[in-house]
Amino acid sequence: RKEVEQDPGPFNVPEGATVAFNCTYSNSASQSFFWYRQDCRKEPKLLMSVYSSGNEDGRFTAQLNRASQYISLLIRDSKLSDSATYLCVGGSTLGRLYFGRGTQLTVWP
Amino acid sequence: EAGVAQSPRYKIIEKRQSVAFWCNPISGHATLYWYQQILGQGPKLLIQFQNNGVVDDSQLPKDRFSAERLKGVDSTLKIQPAKLEDSAVYLCASSLGGMGTGNYGYTFGSGTRLTVV
Repeated sequence: RKEVEQDPGPFNVPEGATVAFNCTYSNSASQSFFWYRQDCRKEPKLLMSVYSSGNEDGRFTAQLNRASQYISLLIRDSKLSDSATYLCVGGSTLGRLYFGRGTQLTVWP
Repeated sequence: EAGVAQSPRYKIIEKRQSVAFWCNPISGHATLYWYQQILGQGPKLLIQFQNNGVVDDSQLPKDRFSAERLKGVDSTLKIQPAKLEDSAVYLCASSLGGMGTGNYGYTFGSGTRLTVV
């Protein structure tokens, strides 16, 4: 079983829609959690960290449930520029990152 | 601030040939990582260095892959001999440290896209 599991999608939504991504993790070595964004043929870039208390950055909201080993990302008011692959990531205390396979999002006009 | 530099950007080789990739991390970043990303999958850690010492190489196929970071700055990853299944993007990343929570400035380079034919 992979350390981080997420639905690969694809998700195809119109501009302005709200879309939610979920993932689960099974590796107890993961102490910190993140969502990364990866554009086609580019490197992954940090979108936001994820905390148990939940955190928001503009149109993006992330949530961590340690009891259920569940991580979520909510994107409100989707923009065309949000089209990308979103990677759910767990981080160990030594700095190793465990990536999910990514969820592909396409926002259409 | 300069990012993580990698070269070459693309490489095409025949199976059983050897290939080397180079990475120069962000200045001051003690920790350097090599990840392999196969098409349609998330990156997978191959090896992690702390300065010039290896922290984690448990996922490195040591019969064909090797990596070094001799002076604790730049690093090379080598594959010898290459197999078809080694076709992937090889990403280098660096961070300020690897302990505790937080992102510690974790930054990826643009990667080397390897095709083995």
